[in-house]
Amino acid sequence: DVQLVESGGGLVQPGGSLRLSCAASGFTVSSNFMSWVRQAPGKGLEWVSVIYAGGSTFYADSVKGRFTISRDNSKNRLYLQMNSLRAEDTAVYYCARDGTTGDLDHWGQGTLVTVSS
Amino acid sequence: QSALTQPASVSGSPGQSITVSCTGTSSNVGVYNYVSWYQQHPGKAPKLMIYDVTKRPSGVSNRFSGSKSGNTASLTISGLQAEDEADYYCSSFTTRSTYVFGTGTKVTVL
Repeated sequence: DVQLVESGGGLVQPGGSLRLSCAASGFTVSSNFMSWVRQAPGKGLEWVSVIYAGGSTFYADSVKGRFTISRDNSKNRLYLQMNSLRAEDTAVYYCARDGTTGDLDHWGQGTLVTVSS
Repeated sequence: QSALTQPASVSGSPGQSITVSCTGTSSNVGVYNYVSWYQQHPGKAPKLMIYDVTKRPSGVSNRFSGSKSGNTASLTISGLQAEDEADYYCSSFTTRSTYVFGTGTKVTVL
């Protein structure tokens, strides 16, 4: 069975950094497109970033230059390095397997990131 | 990139059909047949219901169907059931190789 489990969320001060991790099982991360999506409390979904199987990466304008998506093929894990965090980055962050046309067919349970002093 | 536009709420009685619209631009919905729809119940992760405008993943009820005309995509739920009450989001691939979600629609079963 395909399973995704996020970790690494927590409370961080504005300007701080955090690295989220997404452990995958039942499929190979490096052979798939993988995305991060976030949802601020009480708000809608916002796409954050994608990494293609070939390694190309793309970001939403709201996080470009501050966030970096990556993966560790040996650990079958996806990561999101978040720097220069702002209050508006507060959200539940989900990792999802991407079927290549934006069809996110499997999602993790999410990890909460709170940016506050 | 601006979010795709969805109605804030749509409601219907059990057994009825409802349609949720999703309006984008010629940089996303209008140019690719890569529109997906997600269902999200409170406190849960989203679930893929429709992809590539009209395709249903295995296990999704055939009461859910998708379509597109120009810059607007639509999700139709026929034979509305109590368990269909949830938030629904559309998404589209864009000309910048990014994705954009819709503003979300709360579906209420009366």
